Amino acid sequence: KQEVTQIPAALSVPEGENLVLNCSFTDSAIYNLQWFRQDPGKGLTSLLLIQSSQREQTSGRLNASLDKSSGRSTLYIAASQPGDSATYLCAVTPRGGGSQGNLIFGKGTKLSVKP
Amino acid sequence: GAGVSQTPSNKVTEKGKYVELRCDPISGHTALYWYRQSLGQGPEFLIYFQGTGAADDSGLPNDRFFAVRPEGSVSTLKIQRTERGDSAVYLCASSLVRSSYNEQFFGPGTRLTVL
Repeated sequence: KQEVTQIPAALSVPEGENLVLNCSFTDSAIYNLQWFRQDPGKGLTSLLLIQSSQREQTSGRLNASLDKSSGRSTLYIAASQPGDSATYLCAVTPRGGGSQGNLIFGKGTKLSVKP
Repeated sequence: GAGVSQTPSNKVTEKGKYVELRCDPISGHTALYWYRQSLGQGPEFLIYFQGTGAADDSGLPNDRFFAVRPEGSVSTLKIQRTERGDSAVYLCASSLVRSSYNEQFFGPGTRLTVL
């Protein structure tokens, strides 16, 4: 059974710092991995999607990497800003086993960027 | 264009009552997913529709939960005889097609509170 783990559960950094959020998954049979942002009381905003054949994706100050063989992904945020404060969720789309494309999520990392 | 919308945004009900939660996917998206997110947890898959049919309902917790999508667009999640443990945020997502490259777009969710 696929399980997704995110470490740390919470992170507090001063503004301007570069930071890395970690995600691990137990089964390397995935189609893709997606990083989401969730603001309090809100839905999920997709940040980056990495296909299983890709190693990384970049969008602005965000860079996500994928090492499928080791079951790991990282989300790198450069020059963090208070507006980056949110919960970041990692999710994989399992391959096979009757999967219909539904996502398997981690519990998220709650990021707080202090001014 | 409009994103995924969900109504109501908040629903408070009493134990034992019946509730309906509505999801309007992005126009033209054939795949629709329902997830449930409990406090401090990542979203968990409930049910997946491809067109009008429920292709995978393996995530529904019990037979009190049911969902429909009669015309292949709007979907309604129905919960009978609600229990306090049903309190959670119910998220809906849609994607253009069900494929290994699906990117799911989420609505803002409905926060259900069962008293």
